[in-house]
Amino acid sequence: DTGVSQDPRHKITKRGQNVTFRCDPISEHNRLYWYRQTLGQGPEFLTYFQNEAQLEKSRLLSDRFSAERPKGSFSTLEIQRTEQGDSAMYLCASRGPDGTEAFFGQGTRLTVV
Amino acid sequence: QKEVEQNSGPLSVPEGAIASLNCTYSDRGSQSFFWYRQYSGKSPELIMFIYSNGDKEDGRFTAQLNKASQYVSLLIRDSQPSDSATYLCAGRMDSSYKLIFGSGTRLLVRP
Repeated sequence: DTGVSQDPRHKITKRGQNVTFRCDPISEHNRLYWYRQTLGQGPEFLTYFQNEAQLEKSRLLSDRFSAERPKGSFSTLEIQRTEQGDSAMYLCASRGPDGTEAFFGQGTRLTVV
Repeated sequence: QKEVEQNSGPLSVPEGAIASLNCTYSDRGSQSFFWYRQYSGKSPELIMFIYSNGDKEDGRFTAQLNKASQYVSLLIRDSQPSDSATYLCAGRMDSSYKLIFGSGTRLLVRP
């Protein structure tokens, strides 16, 4: 499968725990996005990487959230001290250097109990 | 006011009919527009994009863009029950990188 891959697909965690999600973009896609989606809403932008550089972060991304893309390939999104309000689907998307379209991975569904 | 607005629906159409999904946007700097389909519990799947005024056709789908009216639409011809899903409209400014999504319109195609 050469699409965007996210891991894990589902994560249940207790409030206050830290979680980390991984995204592997489509090969040679240099642009990578993280979005968050809650029920009944469209995806909300969290952050954007071009290669290894994090070029934009949403105000939604509190200091409990951090994202990295150390070698310009895969990316991780970490949430520290999770809260119930963090329960959502976390989506990763990638886009090629000459591409217009962004393609989404399957998402990671986070449930904080 | 949200930057991209969609009627939440549901929009219900009979099988074989044309489904018309609409979207308005507030930022005149938005240049490119995207339609994604999302089945329940799944991630968004790109249907098509448009950046020029007018119509763009791809199979049963036609996207329409009117920048003067800040309006984007998606027409689905010969609707099938398998088209039942939530349709997300998104806009992007060329000066930015991110897609701004509407809340989506739920489409139900009745057999």
